[in-house]
Amino acid sequence: GAVVSQHPSWVICKSGTSVKIECRSLDFQATTMFWYRQFPKQSLMLMATSNEGSKATYEQGVEKDKFLINHASLTLSTLTVTSAHPEDSSFYICSAREHTEAFFGQGTRLTVV
Amino acid sequence: ILNVEQSPQSLHVQEGDSTNFTCSFPSSNFYALHWYRWETAKSPEALFVMTLNGDEKKKGRISATLNTKEGYSYLYIKGSQPEDSATYLCASSGGGADGLTFGKGTHLIIQP
Repeated sequence: GAVVSQHPSWVICKSGTSVKIECRSLDFQATTMFWYRQFPKQSLMLMATSNEGSKATYEQGVEKDKFLINHASLTLSTLTVTSAHPEDSSFYICSAREHTEAFFGQGTRLTVV
Repeated sequence: ILNVEQSPQSLHVQEGDSTNFTCSFPSSNFYALHWYRWETAKSPEALFVMTLNGDEKKKGRISATLNTKEGYSYLYIKGSQPEDSATYLCASSGGGADGLTFGKGTHLIIQP
């Protein structure tokens, strides 16, 4: 199957700082990528849909000014958590679709202290 | 059914035994049902994508069925092996370009 690479795999940051997470499709082009997060004992929840060359669409309850998404090329989407707070600590994972299948990165464990 | 539900939440199975678990999903606005196998610190591995009612798919010892009318899918593992230990996720989508709605997963532990 197709390969999606996500970095970093974990990050610890101070409250108030910003963190950027990268998601790359390595062997295919993805006009659309997706960002999910998972809180403990919960399911993966879709945060936003990242569209190459246009604005991302956010799910209800997800603050677009806090979670900045940039999808400047067909193989790279980035998620920036701005002014991070402890409640943003979570597991973030990206996905890219190729035909009917969705392929995932390894995820990023974010801890805000 | 409003959400994707998986049962059981966790499952211990003896090596060599066969097992199965369930995914329930909203049957309205349905496009596809996805199954993933997810090991710690790795990317979720795509197992199956099914779209048609009555679909059955197989990959080695793992197979899955789909009933879109009643909104459920089963995943079967035949002759469980220790390497089958993982969390199995199912997810539904409402369109080919849509994001996925996930269940909480079934955590499978194969005991030697």
